[in-house]
This record gives sequence, structure tokens and C-alpha cells, in this order.
Amino acid sequence: GAVVSQHPSWVICKSGTSVKIECRSLDFQATTMFWYRQFPKQSLMLMATSNEGSKATYEQGVEKDKFLINHASLTLSTLTVTSAHPEDSSFYICSARDNLAGTSKPQHFGDGTRLSIL
Amino acid sequence: ELKVEQNPLFLSMQEGKNYTIYCNYSTTSDRLYWYRQDPGKSLESLFVLLSNGAVKQEGRLMASLDTKARLSTLHITAAVHDLSATYFCAAAGGTSYGKLTFGQGTILTVHP
Repeated sequence: GAVVSQHPSWVICKSGTSVKIECRSLDFQATTMFWYRQFPKQSLMLMATSNEGSKATYEQGVEKDKFLINHASLTLSTLTVTSAHPEDSSFYICSARDNLAGTSKPQHFGDGTRLSIL
Repeated sequence: ELKVEQNPLFLSMQEGKNYTIYCNYSTTSDRLYWYRQDPGKSLESLFVLLSNGAVKQEGRLMASLDTKARLSTLHITAAVHDLSATYFCAAAGGTSYGKLTFGQGTILTVHP
């Protein structure tokens, strides 16, 4: 079945560091990918919609200069948390829509990246 | 703005019992999804519901959709410990790019 690979799975770094998270669709092409953030025991909150070849669409309240998204190919989107601080610590999950699957099929989710900022 | 509310948020139940999780959404949605999340893991797709009256079943789980009431249910039959997880419903709006709004999640614990 379709697989979305997210890397790294866990990052621990110092405050002020920038961290890049990759989201790859391994066996399908995805014009659209989504980035979510999940705090402990809370739901998933959509941060932004990543569109191949164009600028990402950010949800209200999400700083585009803080969370840089690049979707340079049909199989790869990256999220860079710039100058990360402890309040950015969270579980980040990406998902991707198979271009050929149609809207009736579920999105495929990556395994998530646990980000801890010290 | 589409809002999705689940209840209950926490559910502790005995093995062998039945229970239903409810998912209400605020505006018209053309797709309703149910996902399972185990601790520290990402989401596993359970069901996709596309039309009014849709019912889908997989093992001990059955999901239904009533678009007129803007309500979906996830029914658990004869619960077993392996079903312990967090369950999310998510609704998709009318846009073509599939933006999802998630409910708060229901933490299910099944005990002997």
C-alpha cells in the first residue's frame, strides 16, 4: 500500500537551532501534502497545506517565517522550524494525497516527528 | 468554519462490552474519516464515509454517517484490549485539496 516516509522520527536540539523535517511519498505522487502539529493528549491541528511548485497555504495563527515549507517535487515536502524554542516542541505529522486516488480515498500519514527543544 | 466535536473524550470500558463514539460537525462536509492513533504513533486510517447513510464495518468497529444530522458514529462491539487507542474523526470541507478538520479525539481504554 501507499507509504509516506517522514524523517527524522525524533529530534532533540538546543533552543535557537533550525530543524528540517522531510516528508516523502514513496510509491505515489502527491501534488498536495499537509503538515499537522499535535501537542500531548490533543488533537491534530493543521498548520499548512504544501503545494508542489507553489507557495504553501498557512492556517491562521501559523507563522510562515517560523515554519518554512518547501515542496519542490511531487514526492517531497519539507518543513523547517526556524530558530526553534521550547514552545515549538511537539509531534509533527505530515500527510499526502495520492494524485491518482481521488478525493474518496484517505490521506496517507507519515509516522510523525517528535521534536524536543531544550 | 468547519468544527468537529467528538464525545466522549475519554472512555474506559470492559472487555466484551459495546459502546459508541459520536462525532458532530458544524457545516456541510462531503467526507468523514475515522482514524486510530496508538501512543507515540501516527494515524491509521479506519474508515472513509462518503454519503448519507453510509455504513462500514471492519472487525469489531462499525462506522456510520448521517449527513442530515451532521453526525457520524463509531460503534465498538464486544471490545477487546487491542482496541485501546485514541480514535479521531475528521471531516473534509468542499474544497478539492482535501483539507481535514479533526475532532478532539477519544481516548479509549479497554480493561479486563
